[in-house]
Amino acid sequence: AQTVTQSQPEMSVQEAETVTLSCTYDTSESDYYLFWYKQPPSRQMILVIRQEAYKQQNATENRFSVNFQKAAKSFSLKISDSQLGDAAMYFCAYRRKGGSEKLVFGKGTKLTVNP
Amino acid sequence: DTAVSQTPKYLVTQMGNDKSIKCEQNLGHDTMYWYKQDSKKFLKIMFSYNNKELIINETVPNRFSPKSPDKAHLNLHINSLELGDSAVYFCASSHAPNEKLFFGSGTQLSVL
Repeated sequence: AQTVTQSQPEMSVQEAETVTLSCTYDTSESDYYLFWYKQPPSRQMILVIRQEAYKQQNATENRFSVNFQKAAKSFSLKISDSQLGDAAMYFCAYRRKGGSEKLVFGKGTKLTVNP
Repeated sequence: DTAVSQTPKYLVTQMGNDKSIKCEQNLGHDTMYWYKQDSKKFLKIMFSYNNKELIINETVPNRFSPKSPDKAHLNLHINSLELGDSAVYFCASSHAPNEKLFFGSGTQLSVL
């Protein structure tokens, strides 16, 4: 069974600084998707960034980028120029390729942004 | 205009009651899901339906019964509610080959 591990229950960063959230996963599949979701206090699940396993290039979305190391099964999220609005729970998630596959989530990292 | 909408947003009820949470998606997706987020924020799949057919049932007590009248709706009925059922329940949907899941805003269930 696939598992996703986020080893940092909580992280904090100063406004305008950079922070990296860690994620590792376990799978025997070669093709799959990886995601980072943000959950602010409003509870809404917001997709931050996604990565396809067969793509070597790391995904980037504005201030958010990932470091995808397929052999190491590692998928970390880097947030640059942190803003107060980035404060939230961040969940790493894995999904096998296939139309009806479920998302498997890590336990989340609570990010605090200090002014 | 909401893509995945679930109602109610909040539900407070007594132990032993039966309650339902409704979910509708207007995205034309074939697959819908129910996830449970516990007090420690852990999100776990409960059920998945594809074109009204149950395809994932993750060892959820049979007090929980999903019902999909059509592929745009997936409702969750819970019988004999227990204290441990208190959680936030998220509905989601997806459509192959798009890998994204779209989530509803969640229903916070409190069992007293």
